[in-house]
Amino acid sequence: DTTVKQNPRYKLARVGKPVNLICSQTMNHDTMYWYQKKPNQAPKLLLFYYDKILNREADTFEKFQSSRPNNSFCSLYIGSAGLEYSAMYLCASSRRTGANQAPLFGEGTRLSVL
Amino acid sequence: AQKVTQTQTSISVVEKTTVTMDCVYETRDSSYFLFWYKQTASGEIVFLIRQDSYKKENATVGHYSLNFQKPKSSIGLIITATQIEDSAVYFCAGGNYAQGLTFGLGTRVSVFP
Repeated sequence: DTTVKQNPRYKLARVGKPVNLICSQTMNHDTMYWYQKKPNQAPKLLLFYYDKILNREADTFEKFQSSRPNNSFCSLYIGSAGLEYSAMYLCASSRRTGANQAPLFGEGTRLSVL
Repeated sequence: AQKVTQTQTSISVVEKTTVTMDCVYETRDSSYFLFWYKQTASGEIVFLIRQDSYKKENATVGHYSLNFQKPKSSIGLIITATQIEDSAVYFCAGGNYAQGLTFGLGTRVSVFP
């Protein structure tokens, strides 16, 4: 299976409530990324894991958390959702070495915060 | 890449013709990768083609090819023999695996019969 899977596809959350998004891949990719995509904006990198090492972007450091319990799974956690978190959340994975490698994206989770 | 700029917001072309999209990037890295992705109507982002910064030859995959001009920090995408299903938003992205990718705002391509 050469796809990245995300669950759920759609998520409705209330302001102030936590949100947990799941991503998985079985391609033995060493790196997994989370991006946020809003309409008419570029996908924005939130954080990524290289193996077990988490790298978070400076401007989203406190807003998002993540865990990677094993090579195949990665989660994105929002402790207290705000209206500004409404967006498409895209997970991607890749392998750092090898010709023609590229981050492959899942279908995304569309989060609506009300 | 620290910054990726796509200046063309939208392009309309007639089916079976060629479309060219521009992308300019800024980077402090000596080695980096450049990618083009396509976002479908469902929102899915699909990988199309990649260019390694150290390679002088332009990458080609199917009817996608790149125009890599390193001195200008430019990586254009060329789609030949366009089809209706090529209608999508095309994103340019750059970076390396230690930093993740930076994306441009995208160019919407509409292919008409």
